[in-house]
Amino acid sequence: NAGVTQTPKFQVLKTGQSMTLQCAQDMNHNSMYWYRQDPGMGLRLIYYSASEGTTDKGEVPNGYNVSRLNKREFSLRLESAAPSQTSVYFCASTLQGRTGELFFGEGSRLTVL
Amino acid sequence: AQSVTQLDSQVPVFEEAPVELRCNYSSSVSVYLFWYVQYPNQGLQLLLKYLSGSTLVKGINGFEAEFNKSQTSFHLRKPSVHISDTAEYFCAVSATGGGNKLTFGTGTQLKVEL
Repeated sequence: NAGVTQTPKFQVLKTGQSMTLQCAQDMNHNSMYWYRQDPGMGLRLIYYSASEGTTDKGEVPNGYNVSRLNKREFSLRLESAAPSQTSVYFCASTLQGRTGELFFGEGSRLTVL
Repeated sequence: AQSVTQLDSQVPVFEEAPVELRCNYSSSVSVYLFWYVQYPNQGLQLLLKYLSGSTLVKGINGFEAEFNKSQTSFHLRKPSVHISDTAEYFCAVSATGGGNKLTFGTGTQLKVEL
């Protein structure tokens, strides 16, 4: 009963380093999302993938890239990390037709020094 | 574009007391509305949603919300809270026909005290 699994759960980077956050879901969902959560700002959409093979920018895409590797997996890459990218990142997924019913992972806490 | 305002960042309440968490939205098109709950160190989970029909919607754990189009509000209520309701609550909106791109509010921390 895994649902949405994110790795790693915690990561500390130095400015300029790169890293990839991994997300996998086992619910056969079509759509997947990456959000970031910052204090006092709620959740903001970074990128999403409505279906396998497609990706689109959300509200705050700058500094990030994504890959929808297959139906199960959706990764988020930081090519050159900046302190402003210190945040908690959440991956979510949903089945097409299940309006607004997103299933979230437990989050990945990233600190950029 | 849509936006959501949650005016109360924190709401303290005693156990067994009623609570209301306020949410107002702004949109130039028809919307769907949602409430999500986030327990400490966990992801968000859907509490309830309004898509159409009855303006009073019931969710899990005894929560309910009322859609008020004239007031552009979607306030969340519970008649009697429990310690286990302590969590952060997020209101969210999406445009009808806009897929599942949700815009979230900044959240309200509900703290239930004995």
